[in-house]
Amino acid sequence: GAGVSQSPSNKVTEKGKDVELRCDPISGHTALYWYRQSLGQGLEFLIYFQGNSAPDKSGLPSDRFSAERTGGSVSTLTIQRTQQEDSAVYLCASRENNEQFFGPGTRLTVL
Amino acid sequence: RKEVEQDPGPFNVPEGATVAFNCTYSNSASQSFFWYRQDCRKEPKLLMSVYSSGNEDGRFTAQLNRASQYISLLIRDSKLSDSATYLCVVARTGTYKYIFGTGTRLKVLA
Repeated sequence: GAGVSQSPSNKVTEKGKDVELRCDPISGHTALYWYRQSLGQGLEFLIYFQGNSAPDKSGLPSDRFSAERTGGSVSTLTIQRTQQEDSAVYLCASRENNEQFFGPGTRLTVL
Repeated sequence: RKEVEQDPGPFNVPEGATVAFNCTYSNSASQSFFWYRQDCRKEPKLLMSVYSSGNEDGRFTAQLNRASQYISLLIRDSKLSDSATYLCVVARTGTYKYIFGTGTRLKVLA
């Protein structure tokens, strides 16, 4: 079956611009996570959704970051006024039981 | 101190060797433990869950030591295809928040 998909796969933007990253989880998975992975670093938790609600937003680095999920399916992560330190791979995962299934990620480069 | 710590490596081992990685965690309320594998420029994938009594999956054996708060991964008869970064993952009791270690890089050499 189809796995988790993310778009775009690569995004290059200029400092100060807004970007929107999309995640399509595996159908039927109610739990969805966003992570950020910088070069040579581990995965940094950003936000967790259960259905459409986000009980844990504790990992969002600043108020420039926001995320939403509609219809218990697609999620978007928005970064406003991007900064160079936002450059990273943004990974989305959906979960069934205790296993997380990751998408291929969006590689964001802020110039 | 990070909540989950791993030796970053790299561990360079010849084909056929046995190699072991440890991972320590600081939160004693941690309940669930996993090893994920991440290939270069790819997404992480679940390798195996770690159970209290220890568990084995083919050439891979995972162990949990709650008293000392560490988990381990043993790989026997290493293959070239085992070359990857191995991520230790810990989930806190009562939450669905997963804490990832920074990973241990393994290179299996021909």
